[in-house]
Amino acid sequence: DAGVTQSPTHLIKTRGQQVTLRCSPKSGHDTVSWYQQALGQGPQFIFQYYEEEERQRGNFPDRFSGHQFPNYSSELNVNALLLGDSALYLCASSLDSGAGADTQYFGPGTRLTVL
Amino acid sequence: QKEVEQNSGPLSVPEGAIASLNCTYSDRGSQSFFWYRQYSGKSPELIMSIYSNGDKEDGRFTAHLNKASQYVSLLIRDSQPSDSATYLCAVNRSWGKLQFGAGTQVVVTP
Repeated sequence: DAGVTQSPTHLIKTRGQQVTLRCSPKSGHDTVSWYQQALGQGPQFIFQYYEEEERQRGNFPDRFSGHQFPNYSSELNVNALLLGDSALYLCASSLDSGAGADTQYFGPGTRLTVL
Repeated sequence: QKEVEQNSGPLSVPEGAIASLNCTYSDRGSQSFFWYRQYSGKSPELIMSIYSNGDKEDGRFTAHLNKASQYVSLLIRDSQPSDSATYLCAVNRSWGKLQFGAGTQVVVTP
């Protein structure tokens, strides 16, 4: 049973560039949430996708956008990169229970460095 | 006041002893609570979830929830060097929007 996968593992970009990160959820899961984790901090919720729609969003600017595909995989896009966007980006998958997606399992993450 | 608070540590625990981790949260409407373990440079790994007041045991781990006090804890019994990691407390605020604490670093010393 494949777990949550993310690509790429590492990425180096320069300020102002755009980046796309990808996530495939655990088999049987239908909900994908994205988190940003800066060094020494806990993960911060970016947004959540369910049924190809953004269901919830955290306090992140519009430079952060996403998409969910019919096969439940998801992308996170960040435009106009800033130095402060350097972080570990985590994808978490879960199964919607009808009362929302609850127990979340994390992928290995993508380490983004912005120079 | 932070929405989810944890002692940052490091919490130094002798091998074989009990590690006690605490977490408080501010949103009284929160319904589900999670503990994750994160090794340095790795992603969070789910240890346990708890939904009802009281204790929940899974192997060497015991989670405790007190919604009236807005408090969650995790005990690690018979601590091993492999338990050395950062432990993250997470609170489900609504529909799977997890709010995390900054984590408590645990160091198990031989």
